[in-house]
Amino acid sequence: EDQVTQSPEALRLQEGESSSLNCSYTVSGLRGLFWYRQDPGKGPEFLFTLYSAGEEKEKERLKATLTKKESFLHITAPKPEDSATYLCAVQSFQGGSEKLVFGKGTKLTVNP
Amino acid sequence: NAGVTQTPKFQVLKTGQSMTLQCAQDMNHNSMYWYRQDPGMGLRLIYYSASEGTTDKGEVPNGYNVSRLNKREFSLRLESAAPSQTSVYFCASSKDNSGANVLTFGAGSRLTVL
Repeated sequence: EDQVTQSPEALRLQEGESSSLNCSYTVSGLRGLFWYRQDPGKGPEFLFTLYSAGEEKEKERLKATLTKKESFLHITAPKPEDSATYLCAVQSFQGGSEKLVFGKGTKLTVNP
Repeated sequence: NAGVTQTPKFQVLKTGQSMTLQCAQDMNHNSMYWYRQDPGMGLRLIYYSASEGTTDKGEVPNGYNVSRLNKREFSLRLESAAPSQTSVYFCASSKDNSGANVLTFGAGSRLTVL
């Protein structure tokens, strides 16, 4: 069974304190790994897609990396506005159909 | 550019009542989806429509029906609401349903069933 596990469940940082969020997955036939950001009371908002091991993508203070078993979302010198829940999702192709599985998310709080 | 619009944003129902959640997208996307999000669980797919005129069950379809009214609109109906259907519902759309698709989500509809 496909699994997507995010850790930690919650992370509290001081402004400027860099850290990483983890998304580990067990799927066959990986199509892509997605990172979304979700603010309270809103829908998830797309951040990155990673397609193959070794790939990296950056956007402002965020950098996403991918290996064969996990992805990391690195947050450099975070600001309070980076506070949100970050969701990881893995898309695979199995049995003739596409399947997208979401992790439970990591709730990030950045204190000023 | 509105993206994905869901209505209503909030709804309270009594057990056994019925209701329809509406969703519309203005991005000319082919595929549309309904998810539910519950505390401590990841987003779970209820139903999806890969293209206009088609609908398919997702992971948790029991108790729901859907209608792809046209390319823009995809509605979710609860025929006889149950407390277990208390959740936040998200509609999403994507260009198509093949390959690695980026989903654009609506703001969500919070449903409480008493």
